[in-house]
Amino acid sequence: EAAVTQSPRSKVAVTGGKVTLSCHQTNNHDYMYWYRQDTGHGLRLIHYSYVADSTEKGDIPDGYKASRPSQENFSLILELASLSQTAVYFCASSDTGGNERLFFGHGTKLSVL
Amino acid sequence: GQQVKQSSPSLTVQEGGISILNCDYENDMFDYFAWYKKYPDNSPTLLISVRSNVDKREDGRLTVFLNKSGKHFSLHITASQPEDTAVYLCAAGARGTGSKLSFGKGAKLTVSP
Repeated sequence: EAAVTQSPRSKVAVTGGKVTLSCHQTNNHDYMYWYRQDTGHGLRLIHYSYVADSTEKGDIPDGYKASRPSQENFSLILELASLSQTAVYFCASSDTGGNERLFFGHGTKLSVL
Repeated sequence: GQQVKQSSPSLTVQEGGISILNCDYENDMFDYFAWYKKYPDNSPTLLISVRSNVDKREDGRLTVFLNKSGKHFSLHITASQPEDTAVYLCAAGARGTGSKLSFGKGAKLTVSP
């Protein structure tokens, strides 16, 4: 079974602080994604990447940066955390070749106070 | 705007009955359609998916129906069980977008004994 590991599992941050969420996958997948989940919005795509050292903007990239230093690792960076970024963040990976199945991590619950 | 919509946020079904979850989409280019299941405090997992070259796919108690002209797809769960109680997320994507799936807001299914 594919494995996607997120860290931390939960975090409390202060407004204006920097937050880094990490994701590691052992699936040998090329594609990795960051989604956020909010009540009433479902999953929304923030950033994604299909190759190391390259990232793409998703549907709601404002206020977030992403980094893909290797095939296995994908980070989401909040340079100046805001209250509106309180949410659950999911990392996912997927294979190439038209296989769109996403394998999700367990999520990171972020509270910005 | 939201490209994938689940109009009914919740559904309650009696044990043994049929659960029907619906999803509408806007993008004519979508050719991959999926349903994910999510338990509280857990990650979404793929239940079943279908490509646009078929109108229906069955897998055990699960059936996905695709109505391309109506831009609508649905998930039918027969013989619903209490363990089917979860949030169900529909998702759709277009070939060539690197598995950039768009998700609906989710629908909470409750199966009562």
